[in-house]
Amino acid sequence: EVQLLESGGGFVQPGGSLRLSCAASGFTFSSYAMSWVRQAPGKGLEWVSAISGSGGSTYYADSVQGRFTISRDNSKNTVYLQMNSLRGEDTAVYYCAKGAPTTVFDSWGQGNPVTVSS
Amino acid sequence: DIQMTQSPSTLSASVGDRVTITCRASQSITSWLAWYQQKPGKAPKLLIYEASDLESGAPSRFSGSGSGTEFTLTISSLQPDDFATYYCQQYNSYPLTFGGGTKVEIK
Repeated sequence: EVQLLESGGGFVQPGGSLRLSCAASGFTFSSYAMSWVRQAPGKGLEWVSAISGSGGSTYYADSVQGRFTISRDNSKNTVYLQMNSLRGEDTAVYYCAKGAPTTVFDSWGQGNPVTVSS
Repeated sequence: DIQMTQSPSTLSASVGDRVTITCRASQSITSWLAWYQQKPGKAPKLLIYEASDLESGAPSRFSGSGSGTEFTLTISSLQPDDFATYYCQQYNSYPLTFGGGTKVEIK
């Protein structure tokens, strides 16, 4: 059974940083792209970033380009999202999602709330 | 960027109704379209991929059709478990984009 367990969210002031982690199990992690998708309170889904199975290719939404960095450690079956220069509009529930095999998401984490506020 | 527009944004229907949700892309995405179902406080679930392929485990009352710029998700006979919000997503090119969502409510 595929499991994606997210951690690292919480409360941070504007301009601050957070690192989200997503620990995966139940599949051959290095064979699949992974993405982060977020959902602001009461709003729809917004794709944030993706990384290829090898980690050699990364992609970002314009709204986070230059502020967020996606990475993965295939030896630990974990994908990360380093979020810097956080803004109020980054407040959302962040989901990690498994690619099937790349850009369709067949498994999702439980969601990790991030609140950016002074 | 490819914009995805869903309609309607809210839909009121009864159990047993046939329900259709439309998704339009701002440019051709051939068949690179997925549909997800999301319930409050839960992660989305994949229903349909490549416009019309049913995800394993998704009920057969869900079907998808379309290509190019116009797509539909149909629920053949609405069940109580189907009251939720539905999103389309294009994966023709980065940045990946979702439609704004369609909330299916009880009439």
